[in-house]
Amino acid sequence: EAQVTQNPRYLITVTGKKLTVTCSQNMNHEYMSWYRQDPGLGLRQIYYSMNVEVTDKGDVPEGYKVSRKEKRNFPLILESPSPNQTSLYFCASSFQGTGSYNEQFFGPGTRLTVL
Amino acid sequence: AQSVTQLDSQVPVFEEAPVELRCNYSSSVSVYLFWYVQYPNQGLQLLLKYLSGSTLVKGINGFEAEFNKSQTSFHLRKPSVHISDTAEYFCAVKSGGSYIPTFGRGTSLIVHP
Repeated sequence: EAQVTQNPRYLITVTGKKLTVTCSQNMNHEYMSWYRQDPGLGLRQIYYSMNVEVTDKGDVPEGYKVSRKEKRNFPLILESPSPNQTSLYFCASSFQGTGSYNEQFFGPGTRLTVL
Repeated sequence: AQSVTQLDSQVPVFEEAPVELRCNYSSSVSVYLFWYVQYPNQGLQLLLKYLSGSTLVKGINGFEAEFNKSQTSFHLRKPSVHISDTAEYFCAVKSGGSYIPTFGRGTSLIVHP
């Protein structure tokens, strides 16, 4: 089954404790992206990746890191989480091309609470 | 540059009534337009998309949207809603020259019995 998986689905942590949220897709997509969803603000893009070893900042990258060592995986790293990073996080992937219309496939979400 | 405005943050409606969720976009080039739906405690899934051709696009669950180039709009409609349509709806635009889609802030559709 074609899908995007995220782990963990729920996480409660404390300020300053490094954490990683994993994202994996099995559709051989080039493009992957991380979003955070907050009430009243919709989806805001954190980082995206066009392909392996190619990443770039989205609209709200501060406090986050990503890596793309393999095509299927795109982990989100919070080196020193703070309470303002409490949010619902989504990973997404799609085929790539400037002229293409490809829809994005979303993971189920990770609800993060930073105390 | 591309941008999307969803004009209503929340739309309450009674079951079996018609509904329209509004979306306006701006882009200087040709666009691809999408509506995604997010059911409670789930990720987003594609509802429908406009790529080219007919301006009336039909999607899943009885939804449809009409692309209006002169008004730069892509409003989502359903003639008769069900309780199960209660969800968050996101409009998105991707310009022909862009790698990255832009999402609107979302519209919460609340269907009352």
